[in-house]
Amino acid sequence: AQSVTQLGSHVSVSEGALVLLRCNYSSSVPPYLFWYVQYPNQGLQLLLKYTSAATLVKGINGFEAEFKKSETSFHLTKPSAHMSDAAEYFCAVNRGFKTIFGAGTRLFVKA
Amino acid sequence: KAGVTQTPRYLIKTRGQQVTLSCSPISGHRSVSWYQQTPGQGLQFLFEYFSETQRNKGNFPGRFSGRQFSNSRSEMNVSTLELGDSALYLCASSPPTGDEQFFGPGTRLTVL
Repeated sequence: AQSVTQLGSHVSVSEGALVLLRCNYSSSVPPYLFWYVQYPNQGLQLLLKYTSAATLVKGINGFEAEFKKSETSFHLTKPSAHMSDAAEYFCAVNRGFKTIFGAGTRLFVKA
Repeated sequence: KAGVTQTPRYLIKTRGQQVTLSCSPISGHRSVSWYQQTPGQGLQFLFEYFSETQRNKGNFPGRFSGRQFSNSRSEMNVSTLELGDSALYLCASSPPTGDEQFFGPGTRLTVL
């Protein structure tokens, strides 16, 4: 069964520091993988998606993620955190006609 | 293009009542999914509809039901509300040629 595991329910970084949010997937075949972001009192917004076209995927707001089959990982990174990046981030995988989300990682950005 | 809209945004009900939530997808999107989001359980898939047919269903009791109309608008209904049904209910639509989902702002349901 396909699923995703996000390591760390909370991550805190200083403004300007590297952001690294971890996601591992379990699947027998390369899946379609996604990262979504949720700001307070809002729905989810797609950051980026992996569809096997390229292992390094660039998304919005300066985020990118690298698909590593050998590590079954799809970690999300951003070189320099901004205060506006504070939100909850979800890794997700498509399974049939439904999307399975990870538990989420809340990102805190310190001034 | 207008985004996914959900109505109402906030709702307060009491135990035993029933509730109907509405979702209008992005124009041209025929797939609509519903999710329940709670602090303890995270995002849980409820069901997905495509062209008025339910294609997939999550592990929720029969009190949770949904439907989709010919214009792709969707409703979900929860009968005999329980305190544990308090949650943010999110609706998402998908384009015909993509797998990504576009979410609405959600309906915050509080059951007293």
